[in-house]
Amino acid sequence: QQQVKQSPQSLIVQKGGISIINCAYENTAFDYFPWYQQFPGKGPALLIAIRPDVSEKKEGRFTISFNKSAKQFSLHIMDSQPGDSATYFCAASITGGGNKLTFGTGTQLKVEL
Amino acid sequence: DTAVSQTPKYLVTQMGNDKSIKCEQNLGHDTMYWYKQDSKKFLKIMFSYNNKELIINETVPNRFSPKSPDKAHLNLHINSLELGDSAVYFCASRNYRGHEQYFGPGTRLTVT
Repeated sequence: QQQVKQSPQSLIVQKGGISIINCAYENTAFDYFPWYQQFPGKGPALLIAIRPDVSEKKEGRFTISFNKSAKQFSLHIMDSQPGDSATYFCAASITGGGNKLTFGTGTQLKVEL
Repeated sequence: DTAVSQTPKYLVTQMGNDKSIKCEQNLGHDTMYWYKQDSKKFLKIMFSYNNKELIINETVPNRFSPKSPDKAHLNLHINSLELGDSAVYFCASRNYRGHEQYFGPGTRLTVT
């Protein structure tokens, strides 16, 4: 049972374009939704995160959009650059009980020149 | 200044052997985790310790035993290694009052 579903599995975007990755969750108890970026041979790095009491959060070129009623959230990467080429994971956790992260299946992003 | 470090980075061993992976964090966090990333890159929680106390123990074979000698260290010992244990194992840490988890560089375990 996949509690956090992520799409697409892979994505190719032209330099300067917008990359959009979508996630949907099932458990309404989730109250923290981070996005992680992982380069080959490296550990996941926290990129940006949102709580369900806001609908959008922006940090530089990265924006999370959150739709609580639809149980969906998405990552937008504006002005995508070749250096953004990586695997992106959405995740969700519940405050308390260890705050374990439940991850999506990952999206491999390639930004072409 | 590595925040979360793991040793070794690569581990190649034969079936049936016992091996350990070590993790250390210098962030002053009190909660640490082990995650497993399989060949399809799927990340899944295995264990979590808060201040040396086990707080998360997912459905993991009991051949896997975590140990936390202090809140800055979390080790993972694996007995009787099997081919299916081949994966990348990540350690992570978190301040108990916060949400952000910081991951180590991973240990790639290959069982032959």
